[in-house]
Amino acid sequence: GAVVSQHPSRVICKSGTSVKIECRSLDFQATTMFWYRQFPKQSLMLMATSNEGSKATYEQGVEKDKFLINHASLTLSTLTVTSAHPEDSSFYICSAIFDRANYGYTFGSGTRLTVV
Amino acid sequence: AQSVAQPEDQVNVAEGNPLTVKCTYSVSGNPYLFWYVQYPNRGLQFLLKYITGDNLVKGSYGFEAEFNKSQTSFHLKKPSALVSDSALYFCAVRSFQKLVFGTGTRLLVSP
Repeated sequence: GAVVSQHPSRVICKSGTSVKIECRSLDFQATTMFWYRQFPKQSLMLMATSNEGSKATYEQGVEKDKFLINHASLTLSTLTVTSAHPEDSSFYICSAIFDRANYGYTFGSGTRLTVV
Repeated sequence: AQSVAQPEDQVNVAEGNPLTVKCTYSVSGNPYLFWYVQYPNRGLQFLLKYITGDNLVKGSYGFEAEFNKSQTSFHLKKPSALVSDSALYFCAVRSFQKLVFGTGTRLLVSP
């Protein structure tokens, strides 16, 4: 149980184009989702927290106009990287709270974005 | 601010030997601590968590962690390492509702 499906797993796009990454909770309602970015051989950096039906809260230094987050339903959150550039190439991982009372978090399998 | 530190970038251990991956924490209030494992190009898999209760927490795949309040540590341990345990391990602390991660420790178990 508590599965988050993240797609695509891997995407290559041209510089200047936009890419959308989806995270879908399969067997629970995800009122809160998180988006992380992971650079090679580095830790996970939280980009933003999204709550269903409201605007995402971005961490300091994250460009909200570049990384658009939408959490329009209890099972789907999307991250759109707009006007992507090579420096946006990274591994993006979503996460969701599936059991708030017991501090249960689950993670998607990640998306490897390469901008050429 | 809540934070965790993983002082070792890499830990090397021979298969069959015990392993320890270190984590120290800095929090205000009660710490809610977690360990996750990541395999290449994959998301994070939950190993165990400490919320309250016994200081020795048992988790998945034979891992356990010891919460030590006086040393502000939450080290991950396993009595007998497997080659398949080779992966990237992250310690994390709950800060408000989000998880804040350490820098990660790469565990390499040699045959």
